[in-house]
Amino acid sequence: EPEVTQTPSHQVTQMGQEVILRCVPISNHLYFYWYRQILGQKVEFLVSFYNNEISEKSEIFDDQFSVERPDGSNFTLKIRSTKLEDSAMYFCATGTGGEKLFFGSGTQLSVL
Amino acid sequence: EDQVTQSPEALRLQEGESSSLNCSYTVSGLRGLFWYRQDPGKGPEFLFTLYSAGEEKEKERLKATLTKKESFLHITAPKPEDSATYLCAVQGPRGAGSYQLTFGKGTKLSVIP
Repeated sequence: EPEVTQTPSHQVTQMGQEVILRCVPISNHLYFYWYRQILGQKVEFLVSFYNNEISEKSEIFDDQFSVERPDGSNFTLKIRSTKLEDSAMYFCATGTGGEKLFFGSGTQLSVL
Repeated sequence: EDQVTQSPEALRLQEGESSSLNCSYTVSGLRGLFWYRQDPGKGPEFLFTLYSAGEEKEKERLKATLTKKESFLHITAPKPEDSATYLCAVQGPRGAGSYQLTFGKGTKLSVIP
């Protein structure tokens, strides 16, 4: 079965640094999402992206965050000036617009 | 604000011992209720979508049901490989193709051989 691929699997960074998390969607998928899960907490929606623009974003997704699809394949989440509270598992999810979302295995981000 | 509460937080079953997981929700205009399975270190894996009260869906040993206030995931004669965290999520009124899901904290199921 096709998979959503996320890199890196683990990322350690210093507070205040910028990080870029990458996702390779399933090839015919047009809808892209980022979710995050802080340890022991719920999976939380961050942003949805369709037709090269953000379609929805949550309150978490402030000016510190940005998304893009720079080369038509990779889908990236950039976090500028990371904070301790950004430490979480970040999941990319993709879909065709139907009911089924495919999630990647996540990037564990640790901000020290 | 959409809210999802799952119970119990954790459940230990003997192999073959059937049980149910509960998902209570509050949403203005439910577009869909989703069940996902999450294994340790992995992303959520889609199981079911339910759209209206009275709807039921089955997959192997799992059966999901929906009322106007809650959903149940029934597990019949579970096996150790069913051990995972089961997540419930709701989708409220949004634009077409939007999948802003609100998740519950999940129920961690352990099936003991």
